[in-house]
Amino acid sequence: GDSVTQMEGPVTLSEEAFLTINCTYTATGYPSLFWYVQYPGEGLQLLLKATKADDKGSNKGFEATYRKETTSFHLEKGSVQVSDSAVYFCALNVNKLVFGAGTILRVKS
Amino acid sequence: DTAVSQTPKYLVTQMGNDKSIKCEQNLGHDTMYWYKQDSKKFLKIMFSYNNKELIINETVPNRFSPKSPDKAHLNLHINSLELGDSAVYFCASSQAVASGGEQFFGPGTRLTVL
Repeated sequence: GDSVTQMEGPVTLSEEAFLTINCTYTATGYPSLFWYVQYPGEGLQLLLKATKADDKGSNKGFEATYRKETTSFHLEKGSVQVSDSAVYFCALNVNKLVFGAGTILRVKS
Repeated sequence: DTAVSQTPKYLVTQMGNDKSIKCEQNLGHDTMYWYKQDSKKFLKIMFSYNNKELIINETVPNRFSPKSPDKAHLNLHINSLELGDSAVYFCASSQAVASGGEQFFGPGTRLTVL
């Protein structure tokens, strides 16, 4: 079945550090790929998405590129802020959303 | 204006009770969902309705029964609550079921079963 694997957390970084959260997927068909973010005490919000191979999604300084050859959609940000502390979910959608286990990010000042 | 709203935000109840969680969306979407998030933040889809019709029904105990009175509302009724039902339940909606559709999530309902 379809599945998403993302790196385990928590990930702890200092402010202005570079962030990478790895995400790989297994899917039948051609999925769309998403990163969702969940801030403490809130629901999930779409951070960025890519719908076909080689597409790059970007938002709020975060980027991820849909790599079909490596079945990956790694999330990156050049300089994290304390306000980026949250849980990040990688997800794919063929005919339903399938989420990864989530990665907790903690950014300290 | 809240896009996807849920009530209540917190629900504390005893084992064996029956409870309901309500969800409403004002986005004009055709499809609505219920997800369960456990204490380790793992998210799993439970149900999905498209235009009031059930289209996804994952392996969920039949104590859980969704009801969609119209396409803007999807309620979740839980009978005979058990300790393991304690979790955060999220409602979501999307324009279409098809691939590429962004889902919009409600703020969640934290259910605690004592």
